[in-house]
Amino acid sequence: GAGVSQSPRYKVAKRGQDVALRCDPISGHVSLFWYQQALGQGPEFLTYFQNEAQLDKSGLPSDRFFAERPEGSVSTLKIQRTQQEDSAVYLCASSLRTGHIAGGHNEQFFGPGTRLTVL
Amino acid sequence: SQQGEEDPQALSIQEGENATMNCSYKTSINNLQWYRQNSGRGLVHLILIRSNEREKHSGRLRVTLDTSKKSSSLLITASRAADTASYFCATPSGMNTGFQKLVFGTGTRLLVSP
Repeated sequence: GAGVSQSPRYKVAKRGQDVALRCDPISGHVSLFWYQQALGQGPEFLTYFQNEAQLDKSGLPSDRFFAERPEGSVSTLKIQRTQQEDSAVYLCASSLRTGHIAGGHNEQFFGPGTRLTVL
Repeated sequence: SQQGEEDPQALSIQEGENATMNCSYKTSINNLQWYRQNSGRGLVHLILIRSNEREKHSGRLRVTLDTSKKSSSLLITASRAADTASYFCATPSGMNTGFQKLVFGTGTRLLVSP
C-alpha cells in the first residue's frame, strides 16, 4: 500500500524491558513525526525528522526515549526500561515536504499506530 | 501539552441528525485542521481552514473559525453510522521553524446510532 505503516501494531512489554517501534513513511516523504497518544487524549508531539536529521526532540518525555531515521526513510522509536506510564498508542506521520508552501500546509499522513502496553 | 479543549467530550446522536463539535485553542495560528480517528485506524485529515477564512465546506462538513475568540466548530450534516469516530482539532506549532508539528485538542467522541 501507499500509506504509512507501523509495526508491530500491538506490543506488550514487562516493566523494565526495552521496546522498538518501527515506522515506514510514504516513499519520498521528507518529514517524519512521532506522536504519543494516551488513552482518551489527543496525540502529543514527540519528535521530528527532516530526512535523516532529527530537528526537534522537545516532546520526548525522558532520556529513555530515543528515535532515529538513519537513511532518511524508515524510523525507529526506542523506549528503554519501559514504565507503566509509557503505555500509549505511538503514532507516526509523514509529509512530503517541510514548512509552509505559499501559506498552505504540508498534510501529515498518519499510520495506524502501535499500541504499547507495559505491565 | 494539549493546545486546548474540545466540547463536548462525547456526543451521541441518531443517523440523519447534525453533529456539532467545538474547539478552543490558546495561541495565534495560521491554520486549524480537523482530523477523524476511527477505532483501529490512524488519524485521517478532514479539512483545513486558514486564519483568514471564516467558514469552509467540504461535502457534509462545515468548519468555522473565529480567531478573535480562538475557537472553531465542526458541523457534520446528515450524519451516518460510519461517522462514528473521535474528532480532533489540531493547530500547527512552530510557525518560524520551517516545519509544522501539530498540537491536538482533547477530542470529541461521536456516536451515531442507526
